[in-house]
Amino acid sequence: QKEVEQNSGPLSVPEGAIASLNCTYSDRGSQSFFWYRQYSGKSPELIMFIYSNGDKEDGRFTAQLNKASQYVSLLIRDSQPSDSATYLCAVWNTGNQFYFGTGTSLTVIP
Amino acid sequence: GAVVSQHPSWVICKSGTSVKIECRSLDFQATTMFWYRQFPKQSLMLMATSNEGSKATYEQGVEKDKFLINHASLTLSTLTVTSAHPEDSSFYICSAQEATTDTQYFGPGTRLTVL
Repeated sequence: QKEVEQNSGPLSVPEGAIASLNCTYSDRGSQSFFWYRQYSGKSPELIMFIYSNGDKEDGRFTAQLNKASQYVSLLIRDSQPSDSATYLCAVWNTGNQFYFGTGTSLTVIP
Repeated sequence: GAVVSQHPSWVICKSGTSVKIECRSLDFQATTMFWYRQFPKQSLMLMATSNEGSKATYEQGVEKDKFLINHASLTLSTLTVTSAHPEDSSFYICSAQEATTDTQYFGPGTRLTVL
């Protein structure tokens, strides 16, 4: 079982819709969770991190964490074509190891 | 937010030469830095984890004698690709971990082309 799993996609949503990206992790004791965005040919950039169960909002982005289900998600409201990228979920686990998922490719259709 | 720089951003070299890539955390101290490689349309691949003042920990399959990592200070880590060959051509990305939040911040990457 992989430490962090994401659907590879591709995920396509129309402009203005909500994009929902999902991630599961295997280490139940993990405490820190991150979402990164990577445009083609560029390095990843941090969108947000979340530590506590529940929702954390930052502009059009909302991260949701459910530790009981070992599930973290990212919602993008009012999706824009500029949001088209690969989204990486990452987890800092109890072994002090940082694991990335393989990423979900998102395309926002104008 | 925290900023990580990499230099050079793009390098072309002849086969057999060595290339050094620098990674700096500009506004925070990073006890841990990471080096990744990414081939086109593929996922990030962790090469090694570098802790300040100690030897790097390499992932399975990564040759430590070919990819030399030095992390001499809390703001600087270097990766040297020794005797580079065309198959080493890739996008090399470093990241630095900010201690208070455990967040990794990525450098902009270095695109290496070995002729």
